[in-house]
Amino acid sequence: EIVLTQSPGTLSLSPGERATLSCRASQSVSSSYLAWYQQKPGQAPRLLISGASSRATGIPDRFSGSGSGTDFTLTISRLEPEDLAVYYCHQYGNSSVTFGQGTRLEIK
Amino acid sequence: QVQLQESGPGLVKPSETLSLTCTVSGGSVSSGSAYWSWIRQPPGKGLEWIGYIYYTGSTTYNPSLKSRVTISVDTSKNQFSLKVRSVTAADTAVYFCARAPYATCFDSWGQGTLVTVSS
Repeated sequence: EIVLTQSPGTLSLSPGERATLSCRASQSVSSSYLAWYQQKPGQAPRLLISGASSRATGIPDRFSGSGSGTDFTLTISRLEPEDLAVYYCHQYGNSSVTFGQGTRLEIK
Repeated sequence: QVQLQESGPGLVKPSETLSLTCTVSGGSVSSGSAYWSWIRQPPGKGLEWIGYIYYTGSTTYNPSLKSRVTISVDTSKNQFSLKVRSVTAADTAVYFCARAPYATCFDSWGQGTLVTVSS
């Protein structure tokens, strides 16, 4: 099983700042089969990024994904108050799907 | 746009079987490109994938739950279902159903349903 470790656990930033969220895999994620989700309080997760760097339909270009192998990053430029959420990474590169434990993003 | 809706009892007794159904609208469970999945989230915790099913009935399960879980599909009703046997308090969670094109990322989710295991 591929273990995904996200850091930091909590990130507290001000509107307009840039957020950098990390997701590290215990072994290489094949073909960059890595996705990112945003989960706001009381809601289902929403797909942001698939294939490590492809934005999902309707996702603003403030959200970008990068990385390959074992190290992946979600960057949110120009933070807005509505970005308050927990962000999860997810690998689907082998038959056993796993999620990271999440990064909580707080907006000051 | 496909929509998913979970339904089922919100309270299950320990040692009994948890049963949930996901109804799909705006799309077909028989779509050749889609895998249908269950994911759960204990209160205040992260996401745990339970398993996938394809419309043919082919399934893939999380190894940690495989011995207690069954996912099935009913193409005539455009639904798929989850059963978790011998539940304990550790199975208390919000259960989500979701669609995964080609068994990749989860691009559509239901709103989730809270199932509490308690006597």
